[in-house]
Amino acid sequence: KAGVTQTPRYLIKTRGQQVTLSCSPISGHRSVSWYQQTPGQGLQFLFEYFSETQRNKGNFPGRFSGRQFSNSRSEMNVSTLELGDSALYLCASGAMTGGSTDTQYFGPGTRLTVL
Amino acid sequence: GENVEQHPSTLSVQEGDSAVIKCTYSDSASNYFPWYKQELGKGPQLIIDIRSNVGEKKDQRIAVTLNKTAKHFSLHITETQPEDSAVYFCAPSYGGSQGNLIFGKGTKLSVKP
Repeated sequence: KAGVTQTPRYLIKTRGQQVTLSCSPISGHRSVSWYQQTPGQGLQFLFEYFSETQRNKGNFPGRFSGRQFSNSRSEMNVSTLELGDSALYLCASGAMTGGSTDTQYFGPGTRLTVL
Repeated sequence: GENVEQHPSTLSVQEGDSAVIKCTYSDSASNYFPWYKQELGKGPQLIIDIRSNVGEKKDQRIAVTLNKTAKHFSLHITETQPEDSAVYFCAPSYGGSQGNLIFGKGTKLSVKP
């Protein structure tokens, strides 16, 4: 079974631009979560989607948004990029079988550099 | 919200020695306690987890112990090998928030041959 895939793997943008990152979960998984990883703040939760609905949202500005499609694939968008948005963006998928705590499986991440 | 602390932040051991990393959390509702390993250039990968009704779990050289009363759990790696070198994260959570993990700051483990 293929793992979580993220595209692109590397991205360079300039301040003020916007960016869209893509995540394909493990086949059959219905939950997708996004995390930002930086050396200073560590791993921080951005948002979680389940069945095309946002279930949880972390403490990030409205410039960060996401969505999930009917095939469970997800995208996140960052508008008006700032230098501080440079980070590794990780996507994780979970089966969400209901009732029990599911393992989160992470993709390799997208390395975003904002110049 | 959950406050997670992980110690130590760096750990250097000789190959064959044991390594222990401790994670302290604040939310008494937490009932799921995973440990993730992140190697350079990769996303975090689950290596072991434990649920609140179990005190200890082992998987070959890796074990996790849980003390719910004191609100901490620990990762134990025995007979360390150079390939164990990585950053380790704890991420305690509770049912219903599985997709919203609060991670510790990480422990960089270096195993010297």
